[in-house]
Amino acid sequence: AQSVTQLDSQVPVFEEAPVELRCNYSSSVSVYLFWYVQYPNQGLQLLLKYLSGSTLVKGINGFEAEFNKSQTSFHLRKPSVHISDTAEYFCAVSDTKEWDDYKLSFGAGTTVTVRA
Amino acid sequence: DGGITQSPKYLFRKEGQNVTLSCEQNLNHDAMYWYRQDPGQGLRLIYYSQIVNDFQKGDIAEGYSVSREKKESFPLTVTSAQKNPTAFYLCASGDRDGAYEQYFGPGTRLTVT
Repeated sequence: AQSVTQLDSQVPVFEEAPVELRCNYSSSVSVYLFWYVQYPNQGLQLLLKYLSGSTLVKGINGFEAEFNKSQTSFHLRKPSVHISDTAEYFCAVSDTKEWDDYKLSFGAGTTVTVRA
Repeated sequence: DGGITQSPKYLFRKEGQNVTLSCEQNLNHDAMYWYRQDPGQGLRLIYYSQIVNDFQKGDIAEGYSVSREKKESFPLTVTSAQKNPTAFYLCASGDRDGAYEQYFGPGTRLTVT
C-alpha cells in the first residue's frame, strides 16, 4: 500500500511570485501520480498527472510538476501565481499494480493563499 | 453536458437519523467512489464500486452503506451508527479509458446536530 505526504500544510505567497508545493510518496512499485486543486466548497479538479514518459509534466493554469523516482517525489510548481490560485491542492498516488482496483491515496492537502 | 452531480449541496439532520446522499454520473464510467473530507485530513475513501451490483469497503466504511443498482448512480447512506457524520462528502467516478483520473462532483456538506 502507498502513502502520500504533503510537506507543507499552508503556503502563503505574494502575487506574481513563484510557488512550490512538495509531495512525497511511499510505494514499493511503480505509481501513477496526480495533482488536484479544490476551490472553496467545490469538488476537486485535475491539474496534471504523471503516468509514464517524461518526468516533467505540464498541466492547466500554468502549473507543472516533476517526478523524481529516486526521491519518490512529485513536487508542483508555478513560476508566477495569481490571486485566483488561492485554493487547496492535493497530491494523489495510485499503485500501478493495483490499478485494477481503481483507487487513489490522497495527501492531507496544502492550502495556498495568494496575497496582493 | 457531461459530469457528476451531487445533491443536495447542503444537508442538515438530527442525530440518530439516517440520511442518503445522491450521486449521479453521465460519463459512462464503470467505477464510482465516495470520499469523506475533514479539515487537515485530506480525502478518505468510504466505499467504491467498479461495476454494477458490486462494491467494496474503503478505509472508513463503518457507519456507512451504499448501493450500485445502476451504472449511473451510487447513493451513500450515512447511518445513525456513524459516530461523527458531520463532514464534506465527495463523489467521484473514473475509468481506465479516462486516462486513470477520477472526476469529482461538487460535494455535499452534511451537518448533523
